[in-house]
Amino acid sequence: DSGVTQTPKHLITATGQRVTLRCSPRSGDLSVYWYQQSLDQGLQFLIHYYNGEERAKGNILERFSAQQFPDLHSELNLSSLELGDSALYFCASSVQGARETQYFGPGTRLLVL
Amino acid sequence: AQTVTQSQPEMSVQEAETVTLSCTYDTSENNYYLFWYKQPPSRQMILVIRQEAYKQQNATENRFSVNFQKAAKSFSLKISDSQLGDTAMYFCAFMKQIDFGNEKLTFGTGTRLTIIP
Repeated sequence: DSGVTQTPKHLITATGQRVTLRCSPRSGDLSVYWYQQSLDQGLQFLIHYYNGEERAKGNILERFSAQQFPDLHSELNLSSLELGDSALYFCASSVQGARETQYFGPGTRLLVL
Repeated sequence: AQTVTQSQPEMSVQEAETVTLSCTYDTSENNYYLFWYKQPPSRQMILVIRQEAYKQQNATENRFSVNFQKAAKSFSLKISDSQLGDTAMYFCAFMKQIDFGNEKLTFGTGTRLTIIP
């Protein structure tokens, strides 16, 4: 157990819908990262938050957004869902950021029908 | 941009044998970190081992060790005395060593390792 929690574990929804994925980092970690794992794209970095502020964006679609709250938990919002958004979404956390190992949560498996 | 290449999509080995997974990377950075993560059938991403580029000594964690060749940009993982629980997808990952900014992990495509009883 990495200490990073993610909810829900599984999510099934329809195209065009909106969902919210939640992540709670390890105790004391200030950085939260979101990654997407899909069959065709592999593991890709989406976005990084540090202590409530956005630090870096990767291959994140405009339909996707995220935020980190004062209690340091983070939410990833996916809207206007398409079939291709079906994937495993991971959250990872680290103490600060640079030079730190990232520890991953169990992931949320999203299936868009 | 950094790239990570894992040229072995699948490997299998008998239990108790030793296996080596290959990883090469391309970067213009001098300071960086390299990682091996394991993803068992549960799909959880588990850190196996970490290597700092400035360290010449290869990292080891129990049965897991790496062969880090900085000039060749090679970072292989050796698993000794392989166990059934080592069956998993293994990902090699790269991270730049910079101050706060873009500390993302760049992953390879993975090697699916099967340990045969």
